[in-house]
Amino acid sequence: DAKTTQPPSMDCAEGRAANLPCNHSTISGNEYVYWYRQIHSQGPQYIIHGLKNNETNEMASLIITEDRKSSTLILPHATLRDTAVYYCIVRARGRDTGRRALTFGSGTRLQVQP
Amino acid sequence: DSGVTQTPKHLITATGQRVTLRCSPRSGDLSVYWYQQSLDQGLQFLIQYYNGEERAKGNILERFSAQQFPDLHSELNLSSLELGDSALYFCASSVGQGDNSPLHFGNGTRLTVT
Repeated sequence: DAKTTQPPSMDCAEGRAANLPCNHSTISGNEYVYWYRQIHSQGPQYIIHGLKNNETNEMASLIITEDRKSSTLILPHATLRDTAVYYCIVRARGRDTGRRALTFGSGTRLQVQP
Repeated sequence: DSGVTQTPKHLITATGQRVTLRCSPRSGDLSVYWYQQSLDQGLQFLIQYYNGEERAKGNILERFSAQQFPDLHSELNLSSLELGDSALYFCASSVGQGDNSPLHFGNGTRLTVT
């Protein structure tokens, strides 16, 4: 499975954009990039996912480089409630459905500062 | 609110006992996943069911078992409990089991084994 590398922690000022990077240099051509976040001990919250094209929804934007080896999650106007651990996950493909279950790493702890 | 309901929210029991955790997936979702999150292990995939059938196994102990019922709710049974089984247990559901089908997580059951 393609591994992901994320910085362990980041700070962001409230109201500013938060740009969370993720490296996935071994990603295969048809594997999706997913982003989740976990606030304190709540259940992981789905944010966004993409394959090749950039994606945007009401929560965030996902920018995937042309070579697909890295991506950036953008929270356009961070608030204190965005303080959480953010997970970048490459979802494995193939007939083995077990490999398609999301594998969580250690993520990036984003602290939004007032 | 993800739409995934887990009960109970908290469970305290003694070593050697058996407990059952319950999960109701989002309306229309056929696939259910179980995850365990302990302090030193992060989020670990345990098992997946799709429309009543087991489809994938992760790091699930033999003392643990699960099933998905015809109404699509799922139960995770944990037996011969040990102190190390203390953790958050999350259920997630998705419409299908394909790579383009995000998982949506419940807020978990916190199990404390004393």
